[in-house]
Amino acid sequence: GAVVSQHPSRVICKSGTSVKIECRSLDFQATTMFWYRQFPKQSLMLMATSNEGSKATYEQGVEKDKFLINHASLTLSTLTVTSAHPEDSSFYICSVTEKRWVTDTQYFGPGTRLTVL
Amino acid sequence: GENVEQHPSTLSVQEGDSAVIKCTYSDSASNYFPWYKQELGKGPQLIIDIRSNVGEKKDQRIAVTLNKTAKHFSLHITETQPEDSAVYFCAALWANNLFFGTGTRLTVIP
Repeated sequence: GAVVSQHPSRVICKSGTSVKIECRSLDFQATTMFWYRQFPKQSLMLMATSNEGSKATYEQGVEKDKFLINHASLTLSTLTVTSAHPEDSSFYICSVTEKRWVTDTQYFGPGTRLTVL
Repeated sequence: GENVEQHPSTLSVQEGDSAVIKCTYSDSASNYFPWYKQELGKGPQLIIDIRSNVGEKKDQRIAVTLNKTAKHFSLHITETQPEDSAVYFCAALWANNLFFGTGTRLTVIP
């Protein structure tokens, strides 16, 4: 399967600051990248879908001005949590998919643990 | 949208026994069903998947079955080992998005 990295793996920040999380597809070109958040002992919740070079599509209830997504290349997507607050503390996970062989398989990154103080 | 239900939420088995996790989905248009294993503090790892044109798929100790008529699919792990302990999520692909079950915490007792 695909190799996906995320950076940083953990981040602690003060309330009101912005945090950027990077997601990289290391061994293939990801036509689509997804961003999920996961609260403790819960399932994954899709936040947004992004295609390279176009604006992200956000799920209902996800504030696009708060969670900025940039998918500038086929191997990199970034999620910026702006003006973070304690309720934004969560596990953020990206996934990638490649349509070259018309496959819908999603490969996930290792996740980023965000703690907002 | 799609609704995926997963049972049980927790499952404990003795090492060497089999484990079965079941999921149901609501929309017959869903045609791709992956299973992910998530260890504590890590991202989900794809362990097996199945498409709607087949009824069963096996990979060593892991197998998945799909019943399209009943709209349910199951994960079967045989000869369980302590390292199989993790949270397992089923998912269904609908309208290009994955809809996840609520997860099953599997504990394999040595």
